[in-house]
Amino acid sequence: AQKITQTQPGMFVQEKEAVTLDCTYDTSDQSYGLFWYKQPSSGEMIFLIYQGSYDEQNATEGRYSLNFQKARKSANLVISASQLGDSAMYFCAMREGRYSSASKIIFGSGTRLSIRP
Amino acid sequence: GAVVSQHPSWVICKSGTSVKIECRSLDFQATTMFWYRQFPKQSLMLMATSNEGSKATYEQGVEKDKFLINHASLTLSTLTVTSAHPEDSSFYICSAPRPQMNTEAFFGQGTRLTVV
Repeated sequence: AQKITQTQPGMFVQEKEAVTLDCTYDTSDQSYGLFWYKQPSSGEMIFLIYQGSYDEQNATEGRYSLNFQKARKSANLVISASQLGDSAMYFCAMREGRYSSASKIIFGSGTRLSIRP
Repeated sequence: GAVVSQHPSWVICKSGTSVKIECRSLDFQATTMFWYRQFPKQSLMLMATSNEGSKATYEQGVEKDKFLINHASLTLSTLTVTSAHPEDSSFYICSAPRPQMNTEAFFGQGTRLTVV
């Protein structure tokens, strides 16, 4: 069975610093996709970045990058130059089946990131 | 703009009544939609997979008769919480994957249900 683990319940970071949010996963499938979502207090789920299991390069989206280490089954999110607006809950998620958009997505327990001015 | 619309965004109901939550995919057809529940300060837990034209698939531990799911069309799925109780109070959120776009999954705005 697939599983996502986020070991950091909460983190405090100074504004403008970089921050790494940890995520490890477990799956027996060779084909899967990894996601990071941001959830502000409003509750909406904001898509940040995606990494496919067969993607050779780490995904990047603006200030977000995903440090994908397949052998270690880790998919850490790196946020560069953090901003006050980055304060939110962050969820790592996984979908088995790289080409199946209909496969379910499961989520980790989340990390609450707080940015200090 | 939003590609998945969920309604209502919040609802308060009396214990014992039923509440219906709608999830619509905008500008694309979704043969599959997912329903999640999120308790305060917890993660999203998948409740069920809604399939257009067939029965929903429920996750282990989710009561089918309590959480009725109807995927009436290729753009609409509904979740009805029947005979709601205070312990059903939670944040319910739907997701609709866009076909051939497996690199992203779109979520509705969520519904905050409070049962009094």
